[in-house]
Amino acid sequence: GAVVSQHPSWVICKSGTSVKIECRSLDFQATTMFWYRQFPKQSLMLMATSNEGSKATYEQGVEKDKFLINHASLTLSTLTVTSAHPEDSSFYICSAPDLGGNGYTFGSGTRLTVV
Amino acid sequence: AQTVTQSQPEMSVQEAETVTLSCTYDTSESDYYLFWYKQPPSRQMILVIRQEAYKQQNATENRFSVNFQKAAKSFSLKISDSQLGDAAMYFCAYRSALLRRWGHDGNNRLAFGKGNQVVVIP
Repeated sequence: GAVVSQHPSWVICKSGTSVKIECRSLDFQATTMFWYRQFPKQSLMLMATSNEGSKATYEQGVEKDKFLINHASLTLSTLTVTSAHPEDSSFYICSAPDLGGNGYTFGSGTRLTVV
Repeated sequence: AQTVTQSQPEMSVQEAETVTLSCTYDTSESDYYLFWYKQPPSRQMILVIRQEAYKQQNATENRFSVNFQKAAKSFSLKISDSQLGDAAMYFCAYRSALLRRWGHDGNNRLAFGKGNQVVVIP
């Protein structure tokens, strides 16, 4: 089946630094990637939708300059958290439409801790 | 925007027993998909079951089955013969099929409910 590989699985960074999270579709072309944020015991909150070769679409309230999304190829989408602060600590998950187009494949998530 | 409601934050079930998770949704569309996803402690999202709105037959996957009531906009999940490995958060999700007609299906986002925590008691 379709696999989305997400790295790193966890990262600790200092306040003010930037962190890049990568999602790769391993055996299919993901022209679209959804990026979510999830707080403990809560649901997934959609942050943005990226499309290969074009600008990402951000959800209302999500800072575009803080959460930079790049989808430069059909197999790679990245989320960069810039000038990270402790309130950015969270679990981030990516997801791509699966091969059949009727469902989604999720990455394994990245736990970000900003100290 | 579509909304998905899961009203029972936590449910407990005895091992080998059956538990039903409720989900309702709000939409004006006639063509859509509904999903149940499982998120175990590893936090990997796992597809449990999928239902296409135009199919009247309820989807089943081994011990998992749904009761899809389109008119009532209800999509409940039944877990039979519960096992310890079923302990997880379960999310109900909705996805429009509208854009499929214009070949942009990949942009259809999922609308998630708040989730149900299922606890399995040995």
